[in-house]
Amino acid sequence: GNSVTQMEGPVTLSEEAFLTINCTYTATGYPSLFWYVQYPGEGLQLLLKATKADDKGSNKGFEATYRKETTSFHLEKGSVQVSDSAVYFCALSDNTDKLIFGTGTRLQVFP
Amino acid sequence: KAGVTQTPRYLIKTRGQQVTLSCSPISGHRSVSWYQQTPGQGLQFLFEYFSETQRNKGNFPGRFSGRQFSNSRSEMNVSTLELGDSALYLCASSPGGSGGANEQFFGPGTRLTVL
Repeated sequence: GNSVTQMEGPVTLSEEAFLTINCTYTATGYPSLFWYVQYPGEGLQLLLKATKADDKGSNKGFEATYRKETTSFHLEKGSVQVSDSAVYFCALSDNTDKLIFGTGTRLQVFP
Repeated sequence: KAGVTQTPRYLIKTRGQQVTLSCSPISGHRSVSWYQQTPGQGLQFLFEYFSETQRNKGNFPGRFSGRQFSNSRSEMNVSTLELGDSALYLCASSPGGSGGANEQFFGPGTRLTVL
């Protein structure tokens, strides 16, 4: 069945460091891919999405490119801030409203 | 536009009881999905309702059920509660069109503790 694998956390960085959180997926067909973020004490928020191969999703300085050849959707940001500290979830949908999530990666950014 | 609201925010029950959680979607959204979030299993899809019909279902036992009303509000029910049902239950709404790239808007969740 469809699944998402993302790197274990926590990821600990200093402010202004470069961030990469790896995400790979297994799916039949052409899923849509998403990154959601969960700030402490809050619900999930969509960070960015991509719906077809080679699409790049971007928002708030974060980017991820849908790579069908490597079945990956890695999240990157050039310069993280303390306010980016949160849990990040990679997810896919098989063209329904059902989301399949990865396990989440906690990011901790220190000043 | 008001966001997705869930009530109650916190709930404590004992084993064997049943519980009903409520979700009010964003106005105009016709699809409501439910997810269970636990430290061990992460985020798992329970079911999705669209126009009062269950459109998708996850791999949960029959003790977990849901319904959607004509105003798109949704409830989920868990009967015969077990300790392992302790979790954060998240509701998400979307416009519900076909295609699968619909943005899901999540509520803050209901924290259920089973003692």
